[in-house]
Amino acid sequence: SAVISQKPSRDICQRGTSLTIQCQVDSQVTMMFWYRQQPGQSLTLIATANQGSEATYESGFVIDKFPISRPNLTFSTLTVSNMSPEDSSIYLCSVEGSVATDTQYFGPGTRLTVL
Amino acid sequence: GENVEQHPSTLSVQEGDSAVIKCTYSDSASNYFPWYKQELGKRPQLIIDIRSNVGEKKDQRIAVTLNKTAKHFSLHITETQPEDSAVYFCAASITPGNTGKLIFGQGTTLQVKP
Repeated sequence: SAVISQKPSRDICQRGTSLTIQCQVDSQVTMMFWYRQQPGQSLTLIATANQGSEATYESGFVIDKFPISRPNLTFSTLTVSNMSPEDSSIYLCSVEGSVATDTQYFGPGTRLTVL
Repeated sequence: GENVEQHPSTLSVQEGDSAVIKCTYSDSASNYFPWYKQELGKRPQLIIDIRSNVGEKKDQRIAVTLNKTAKHFSLHITETQPEDSAVYFCAASITPGNTGKLIFGQGTTLQVKP
């Protein structure tokens, strides 16, 4: 499977600030996704990062709060904007298309704490 | 949209026993069902998956069964070991040609007692 890295691995931020999380894959992939995992909870899809076009957001998530970029087939960023303590979560990117067209693999995640 | 229900939320077994985790899904168009294992502080790892054209798939001590009519699928772990202790998530999606969205169940915390 593809090697997926995320930066930063964790961060502590003040409310009202923004944090950009990077996801890098060592090979070209078809699809990239961003998920949120709140403490002790399951994974919720935030959006699909589309290469060269605007991301596709799931219900409850908006571009102004979670702007996403995907400039090429190996890299994507997720920004958490104007953060509040409720944004404290693990944010994970996942990729599809490196091995089988429908198999998703996850990055190591970014643990975000908002004070 | 798709909804995935997972049971039980916690499961405790003795080492060597079997463990079964069950999931139901709502969208009959779903045709891909992966299972992920997440150890504490680590990323979810794909352990097995099944597509709707088969009813059962095995990989050593792990097996998954799918009942399309009833819209449920199950993970079976035999001869459990302490290292099987983790949170297990089922998921469902529609593929190919879809966005590849995975809808996850709520998770099952499996504890294997030595």
